[in-house]
Amino acid sequence: SQELEQSPQSLIVQEGKNLTINCTSSKTLYGLYWYKQKYGEGLIFLMMLQKGGEEKSHEKITAKLDEKKQQSSLHITASQPSHAGIYLCGAHDNAGNNRKLIWGLGTSLAVNP
Amino acid sequence: KAGVTQTPRYLIKTRGQQVTLSCSPISGHRSVSWYQQTPGQGLQFLFEYFSETQRNKGNFPGRFSGRQFSNSRSEMNVSTLELGDSALYLCASSLSRLPYTGELFFGEGSRLTVL
Repeated sequence: SQELEQSPQSLIVQEGKNLTINCTSSKTLYGLYWYKQKYGEGLIFLMMLQKGGEEKSHEKITAKLDEKKQQSSLHITASQPSHAGIYLCGAHDNAGNNRKLIWGLGTSLAVNP
Repeated sequence: KAGVTQTPRYLIKTRGQQVTLSCSPISGHRSVSWYQQTPGQGLQFLFEYFSETQRNKGNFPGRFSGRQFSNSRSEMNVSTLELGDSALYLCASSLSRLPYTGELFFGEGSRLTVL
């Protein structure tokens, strides 16, 4: 079955620094999601990517799906304390007739002021 | 418009009991999916309901079940609770069914502790 691996597992950066989180799949990615979660709370939608080479930005966050559609990266420019949280990537697993959404284990981000 | 509402937010049960969690989707959304989130396994897909029918299912035992009503509200039930069922249970709603073509809207979750 398809798996999503996120790296790094955790990250501590100084405010103002740039950072990148990666999400790598064992199979071709279809419908790749990026969400942010504050500890113990619901997920906040960041972006959805569907086409190889697609890149989307929202405020200081940019996500890209590579051409071969097996990896996505999330880049934060000039990080702020408000960026702290857990970043999760999710993707469609369309194997067989039973579809589901699979998720990476998350990347925990702390931003020091 | 109102977001996805999950109740209860917190609950404590003992082993062997059963629990029912509720999810009210965004008005007009017909798809409701459920997820279990634990520190060790992360976020895992339980099942998806669309138009009152279970459409897709994750790899969970039959103790985990659900249903959807005609107003799209959904409930999930876990019977014969085990310690390992302690988790944050999240539901999400969407206009379309899997594979989704747009944003999934998540509720705040129901945190279940099994003693």
